[in-house]
Amino acid sequence: DAGVIQSPRHEVTEMGQEVTLRCKPISGHNSLFWYRQTMMRGLELLIYFNNNVPIDDSGMPEDRFSAKMPNASFSTLKIQPSEPRDSAVYFCASSLAGQNQPQHFGDGTRLSIL
Amino acid sequence: DQQVKQNSPSLSVQEGRISILNCDYTNSMFDYFLWYKKYPAEGPTFLISISSIKDKNEDGRFTVFLNKSAKHLSLHIVPSQPGDSAVYFCAASAYSGAGSYQLTFGKGTKLSVIP
Repeated sequence: DAGVIQSPRHEVTEMGQEVTLRCKPISGHNSLFWYRQTMMRGLELLIYFNNNVPIDDSGMPEDRFSAKMPNASFSTLKIQPSEPRDSAVYFCASSLAGQNQPQHFGDGTRLSIL
Repeated sequence: DQQVKQNSPSLSVQEGRISILNCDYTNSMFDYFLWYKKYPAEGPTFLISISSIKDKNEDGRFTVFLNKSAKHLSLHIVPSQPGDSAVYFCAASAYSGAGSYQLTFGKGTKLSVIP
């Protein structure tokens, strides 16, 4: 079975540019999560979707961040404009809905904003 | 305010011995706990979990213990193998509405198993 697929794996861009991260969840999973990992704060939940509907975006740091899930097999996380402090590894995860369902993670996108 | 804490950033263990990774939590609403393992340049991989109604769950070389009164859980790996060298994350789950469960992660413990 294909796991969670994220693209790109690495992104280097200049401050002020728009960045779009992509995620394809595991087929059949109906919950999708976006996380950010930094040395200082560890793994932080940014936003999650249930059946393509955003449930909680309280972890999104600023209005510069937005996420969409237009269908069950695709989600994007966009940063516009990007800033150096956005540099981090961004993970997407998916799971079946319901209690006791482990989340399955993609391999992440390493983002560097110069 | 960290709700899930892994106080040891790193741990070194000799091959064949037991590895014990610890995790403390503060939120009594957490009712399900998970351990994830992460290799460099990869995403975290689910390892083992435990419900709050249990105090132990075992899967091969991996055992997770939960002490609810102390709000403490631990992961035991025995015997430890060099391939177990990775960062281990403790995570706790709580209901967050609309049929969804949200995970809160600790900052991880880097385990090094020395051959």
